[in-house]
Amino acid sequence: DIQMTQSPSSLSASVGDRVTITCRASQSINNYLNWYAQKAGKAPKLLISGASTLQSGVPSTFSGSGSGTEFTLTISRLQPEDFGTYYCQQSFSTPFTFGPGTKVDIK
Amino acid sequence: QVLLVQSGAELRKPGGSVRVSCQTSGYTFTDYYIHWVRQAPGQGLEWLGCINLNVGGAHYAQKFQGRVSVTRDTSITTSNMDLSRLRPDDTAIYYCASGPARGVRSLDYWGQGSLVTVSS
Repeated sequence: DIQMTQSPSSLSASVGDRVTITCRASQSINNYLNWYAQKAGKAPKLLISGASTLQSGVPSTFSGSGSGTEFTLTISRLQPEDFGTYYCQQSFSTPFTFGPGTKVDIK
Repeated sequence: QVLLVQSGAELRKPGGSVRVSCQTSGYTFTDYYIHWVRQAPGQGLEWLGCINLNVGGAHYAQKFQGRVSVTRDTSITTSNMDLSRLRPDDTAIYYCASGPARGVRSLDYWGQGSLVTVSS
């Protein structure tokens, strides 16, 4: 199975800050990397697919990059509604494993 | 728009089985996957398996092999996830999610989740 790791596991940042979350795969997954956001008590929501394709309706303050084994999710200007937990997931081969998550708190 | 509606909460005893259903609507094609993902209390997301709604082929995480079965009904708009030999650590919210069967195979749409509690 492909193992996914994320760093940091949690962070606190101020409104307007630039935030970067890193996701690493245990082997190359090309660009088969997706990012999800989840708020407490809600289902996850797809933000970015294929490492860098922003989903319809997702603010342009979100962006994704990377290929192979290292990927990043960047929030260029953190907004109050961006708090929650962010997960990466590989869809290169089954099982489609998730990273452990990064919890984002607003200072 | 695409909607996924799941069955309600379930309470089971250890050793028992549970079925969670997921009905999709809004798709104009049939070549998509239904995935099953669970989240234990306070924990992260765990992928269990998926099925191609068009051809019916299922894939499972090795961890759940022999305990989980993902099926589709003949109308190919509903998927069922059966989990057997339940343990207390199977207590979780079970989500279905749908997405393309080709390309990057992201989980584009999610159901509301179904709480399964395993307790004696």
